[in-house]
Amino acid sequence: KNEVEQSPQNLTAQEGEFITINCSYSVGISALHWLQQHPGGGIVSLFMLSSGKKKHGRLIATINIQEKHSSLHITASHPRDSAVYICAVLMDSNYQLIWGAGTKLIIKP
Amino acid sequence: DSGVTQTPKHLITATGQRVTLRCSPRSGDLSVYWYQQSLDQGLQFLIQYYNGEERAKGNILERFSAQQFPDLHSELNLSSLELGDSALYFCASSDGLSEQFFGPGTRLTVL
Repeated sequence: KNEVEQSPQNLTAQEGEFITINCSYSVGISALHWLQQHPGGGIVSLFMLSSGKKKHGRLIATINIQEKHSSLHITASHPRDSAVYICAVLMDSNYQLIWGAGTKLIIKP
Repeated sequence: DSGVTQTPKHLITATGQRVTLRCSPRSGDLSVYWYQQSLDQGLQFLIQYYNGEERAKGNILERFSAQQFPDLHSELNLSSLELGDSALYFCASSDGLSEQFFGPGTRLTVL
């Protein structure tokens, strides 16, 4: 079993829809990252959080430490949101990042 | 712009050759991480340096080596290249404990 599990693996939605991507982990962490990888390959860090909730524009990330679960939400989705979204946890034992497999999101106009 | 630079952007070479990828971290960041992303694969952690010292090693092949210089830039050396080494190689930097910032990547093609 992978230490970081993301769901869904693939998600196709219509423009304007509310998007949720989930991440569950099984190790002790000091923080969790959400990253976005564009079709061209570039990686952008969206959030790093260790508790509660963070919001940036149309993106919202939440984490529940007790349940070892995080969600990334996109409101009013747009085709430019199409990308792979990756969850990565920073292990509290050695400060290494363990990556989820990513969620490929396609937003259709 | 993350503040992390990587050169070159693209590299095409032949099997058996050796290449060097370069990374300059964000100003003030002491930690540099190297990752490999093969086609349709997730990111694989290769190695981390902190202030010139190797801190952690991941799935790095013996044919690969890295170092971090006194000015904190880092180089990843890949030798005896094989077709399967074709991938995107990312460098990231952080202050060692917090968020990692990624460079644009180097796309290596081994023919």
